[in-house]
Amino acid sequence: GAVVSQHPSRVICKSGTSVKIECRSLDFQATTMFWYRQFPKKSLMLMATSNEGSKATYEQGVEKDKFLINHASLTLSTLTVTSAHPEDSSFYICSAGVLMYEQYFGPGTRLTVT
Amino acid sequence: GNSVTQMEGPVTLSEEAFLTINCTYTATGYPSLFWYVQYPGEGLQLLLKATKADDKGSNKGFEATYRKETTSFHLEKGSVQVSDSAVYFCALSEGNTNAGKSTFGDGTTLTVKP
Repeated sequence: GAVVSQHPSRVICKSGTSVKIECRSLDFQATTMFWYRQFPKKSLMLMATSNEGSKATYEQGVEKDKFLINHASLTLSTLTVTSAHPEDSSFYICSAGVLMYEQYFGPGTRLTVT
Repeated sequence: GNSVTQMEGPVTLSEEAFLTINCTYTATGYPSLFWYVQYPGEGLQLLLKATKADDKGSNKGFEATYRKETTSFHLEKGSVQVSDSAVYFCALSEGNTNAGKSTFGDGTTLTVKP
């Protein structure tokens, strides 16, 4: 099946710094990638939809200047959490859209902001 | 808008017990329906799917039938194993949106005891 990787798997950073998370589709090209945030014992909240070569579409309530998304190629999308604060600590998961109705998920990145 | 409602957990079963996790949905169109499984510290994996009414998705002994009349997609397994312990998410995706953009339920935690 389709494989999606994320890097890093875990990151700890200090408040005020920026963190970049990479999402890669390893064996297929993904024109659309999605970024989710998952709080402990909660469901996934869609943050934004990333299309290769164009600006990301953010969901209501998500700050686009804080969560910068770049989809520079058909196999790579990045999420940068700028000026991170402890409330940004969360599990971030990306997925890549393959067919009209399917998406394949990355393993997630655990971000802890101290 | 779209929504997915899952049976609240946690669910604790003994090995070889029968499993049912209820899922109902609200959608404006004709969505595809999915069950995803998430093991501790990992991303989501597609467990099974159904793309139209009366379809039955199945995988690894799990089954779910797309019931349009009751807007339901209940997950069942006849005999659970300890290795089935995980969080299960029901989700829907509408074909007229971006490829794979999905709405998730809150997740149901399943613990299977030996």
